[in-house]
Amino acid sequence: GDSVTQMEGPVTLSEEAFLTINCTYTATGYPSLFWYVQYPGEGLQLLLKATKADDKGSNKGFEATYRKETTSFHLEKGSVQVSDSAVYFCARKEAGTALIFGKGTTLSVSS
Amino acid sequence: DVKVTQSSRYLVKRTGEKVFLECVQDMDHENMFWYRQDPGLGLRLIYFSYDVKMKEKGDIPEGYSVSREKKERFSLILESASTNQTSMYLCASSFQAAGNQPQHFGDGTRLSIL
Repeated sequence: GDSVTQMEGPVTLSEEAFLTINCTYTATGYPSLFWYVQYPGEGLQLLLKATKADDKGSNKGFEATYRKETTSFHLEKGSVQVSDSAVYFCARKEAGTALIFGKGTTLSVSS
Repeated sequence: DVKVTQSSRYLVKRTGEKVFLECVQDMDHENMFWYRQDPGLGLRLIYFSYDVKMKEKGDIPEGYSVSREKKERFSLILESASTNQTSMYLCASSFQAAGNQPQHFGDGTRLSIL
């Protein structure tokens, strides 16, 4: 089965709307969790990360909390901007392995 | 800042050609990775390397090989290109795999096989 599951997109929002992109994971141990963002025509950039349960990663107004009890790492932002339009990837990493990515969620924000 | 440089942004090749995709990183990272990105499938790991001359298969290694002769350079090779290898290819690097270090990505190579 999938190791990282993201909500399917595209997600279409108006500027200043609240954003949630759901992400759940499966793992045998205690993985680190990441959100990457890919702007049009570019490679992936690290957005935020959390390395243990209850950690909250944050960057550029985005937040995600490592929830071990629900195996989730949902991405949130209180007020999106047009410049946030991109593809967002959730990823997990266990010791000794490479990153495993979700399939990505496309966010489109209109003014 | 970490810099991961992929040699080409766009590449067009013909079926049956041998294709080389090059990736260089400037941060002395031990680990390097090749992924392909396809719509609806996300990123899938092709090969990775933990050290010079070492390589490990990822999830979809068939039809590909890699070379890591120097620490900073990781090459992906399509031995005999086929149309189903048309894709976006992303290279990444990181410090040791056994930690929590994030991977840093290049801008990608969009490869078309005709």
